[in-house]
Amino acid sequence: EVRLAESGGGLVQPGGSLKLSCAASGFPFSDYTMHWVRQSSGKGLEWVGRITRKSDNYATTYAASVKGRFTISRSDSKNTAYLQMDSLKIEDTAVYYCLRGRLGSWSFDCWGQGTLVAVAS
Amino acid sequence: QSALTQPASVSGSPGQSITISCTGTSSDFSSYNYVSWYQHHPGKAPKLMIYDVSNRPPGVSNRFSGSKSGSTASLTISGLQAEDEADYFCSSYLGNSAFYVFGTGTKVTVL
Repeated sequence: EVRLAESGGGLVQPGGSLKLSCAASGFPFSDYTMHWVRQSSGKGLEWVGRITRKSDNYATTYAASVKGRFTISRSDSKNTAYLQMDSLKIEDTAVYYCLRGRLGSWSFDCWGQGTLVAVAS
Repeated sequence: QSALTQPASVSGSPGQSITISCTGTSSDFSSYNYVSWYQHHPGKAPKLMIYDVSNRPPGVSNRFSGSKSGSTASLTISGLQAEDEADYFCSSYLGNSAFYVFGTGTKVTVL
């Protein structure tokens, strides 16, 4: 079974840091681009960023709202993607989801259940 | 980048057909045919139903179909069934300018 499981969420103060993990199973993780998406309470979904597979040079791209503060990485040996969040702001409070990019498509064919990040003093 | 606009709710009786619209204001949305649709039952992970405007992944019922004309994409569910009651949202790749944008979401109710 294809599965993505996020972890690492929690409460952090403004200006603080947090690192989320996304453990993948049931598929050849190294073959896929991985994305992070977030959803704030009462708001819609917002794409955060992505990291491509090794054959595409592990390229990373970020939404303007998080560029320079968030870093996406991956460990193919551990079948895990990461989202390092620094200089956190109150408006970063959201449920963060890990997604798998569908091969040959600009869509997402597997979603995790999400992990809650709350930024508050 | 503004979210794609969807109706908040759509309803229909079993066996009927319903259509959910997804409208974008960006010229990139009109230019790219990379709209995807997702079904989301509360408490479960969203499920890809349509990709690249009109393609169904393996295992998705052919009662679900997608289309796009200009700045509006549509998801049609034919032969509505009780299990189709869920939230649906669209998404589109917009190229390097903004990468991805999501719809505001539509709650489908089967009467």
